[in-house]
Amino acid sequence: NAGVTQTPKFQVLKTGQSMTLQCAQDMNHEYMSWYRQDPGMGLRLIHYSVGAGITDQGEVPNGYNVSRSTTEDFPLRLLSAAPSQTSVYFCASSYSIRDYGYTFGSGTRLTVV
Amino acid sequence: DAKTTQPNSMESNEEEPVHLPCNHSTISGTDYIHWYRQLPSQGPEYVIHGLTSNVNNRMASLAIAEDRKSSTLILHRATLRDAAVYYCILRDEMNYGGATNKLIFGTGTLLAVQP
Repeated sequence: NAGVTQTPKFQVLKTGQSMTLQCAQDMNHEYMSWYRQDPGMGLRLIHYSVGAGITDQGEVPNGYNVSRSTTEDFPLRLLSAAPSQTSVYFCASSYSIRDYGYTFGSGTRLTVV
Repeated sequence: DAKTTQPNSMESNEEEPVHLPCNHSTISGTDYIHWYRQLPSQGPEYVIHGLTSNVNNRMASLAIAEDRKSSTLILHRATLRDAAVYYCILRDEMNYGGATNKLIFGTGTLLAVQP
């Protein structure tokens, strides 16, 4: 049982490049979500999914796309990276949106130059 | 949205109890109080949650004021490993899928534990 696995752990992108942050969980959780954390700030919700095939926007969705084709995976795509997207990204999952205890991954530190 | 207010930072000594306060004067009747913590260079970790009654688990205790406008997370014996940012979050457990059901993090309280 690996929990929530995020890859890569570190990434440097040039402005305008695209990339996908991977998130996988092996707990059969229906609910998955992506957060970003900027220095000195709390986590902000980007996108979330309540099950395969269903996604919705959070607080700061602009510049990011998501899809949920399987229960296990919830990738986050940056279409055209900007320096403002430099942040630490966390993926979280839970049994359902009603669940009280979210399990977070260890994060991906992304720098856009 | 109901908001929470926490001190930016607190200090504690190892093996002493720690009381982390949280004010939420605009809490609604269906808001649960959640606490998460974030250790350095890690993702947040669920600690405890409650609605009206005080709650205990292996990690901590949650004391909720009778009017629910404030709460306190209690670490009974702080260890160096408890040094983290602690987040107090309100979550509307009735509004599933709605904006107020999201887990919205503030800036939390940075707890330093001195040996």
